[in-house]
Amino acid sequence: GNSVTQMEGPVTLSEEAFLTINCTYTATGYPSLFWYVQYPGEGLQLLLKATKADDKGSNKGFEATYRKETTSFHLEKGSVQVSDSAVYFCALSDGTGSQGNLIFGKGTKLSVKP
Amino acid sequence: ETGVTQSPTHLIKTRGQQVTLRCSSQSGHNTVSWYQQALGQGPQFIFQYYREEENGRGNFPPRFSGLQFPNYSSELNVNALELDDSALYLCASSPVAETNEKLFFGSGTQLSVL
Repeated sequence: GNSVTQMEGPVTLSEEAFLTINCTYTATGYPSLFWYVQYPGEGLQLLLKATKADDKGSNKGFEATYRKETTSFHLEKGSVQVSDSAVYFCALSDGTGSQGNLIFGKGTKLSVKP
Repeated sequence: ETGVTQSPTHLIKTRGQQVTLRCSSQSGHNTVSWYQQALGQGPQFIFQYYREEENGRGNFPPRFSGLQFPNYSSELNVNALELDDSALYLCASSPVAETNEKLFFGSGTQLSVL
């Protein structure tokens, strides 16, 4: 079945460091891909998305490119800030199944130190 | 600002009991989805409601049921609680039923089953 695998955390970086969080997926068809972020004590928020191969999603300095050949959607940011500390979830839409069915990875906790 | 509110924020029940969780969707959103997030895991899709009817269901037993009301608010009911039902339950609303691309999540209800 469809699934998402993302790198295990926690990830600890210093401010202004480069961030990569790896995400790979297994899916039939052509799913849309998402990164959601969960700040402490808050609900999940959509960070960025891509709906077809080679699309690049970007928001708040984060970006990820939909790579069909490697079934990947890695999240990157050139210079992280303390305020980026959160849990990041990679997800795909299950276009073959129920509406609204997002399949999430286990999440990667990012801590950014000043 | 998500605008999705869930109640209660925390709940403790004992095995075998029944529980009802509530969600008020963001204004203008007619679709509500429920997810279960176990500790250290990503959210898992339970079901979605659109126009007061179930519009898709994940791999959860029938003792997980729901309702959507004319004002688009929603309830998640779980009967015969089991220890493994302990999790964060997330509600998400969206303006349409046909896309996953605009899910707005609440902060969740933390359920502990003893």
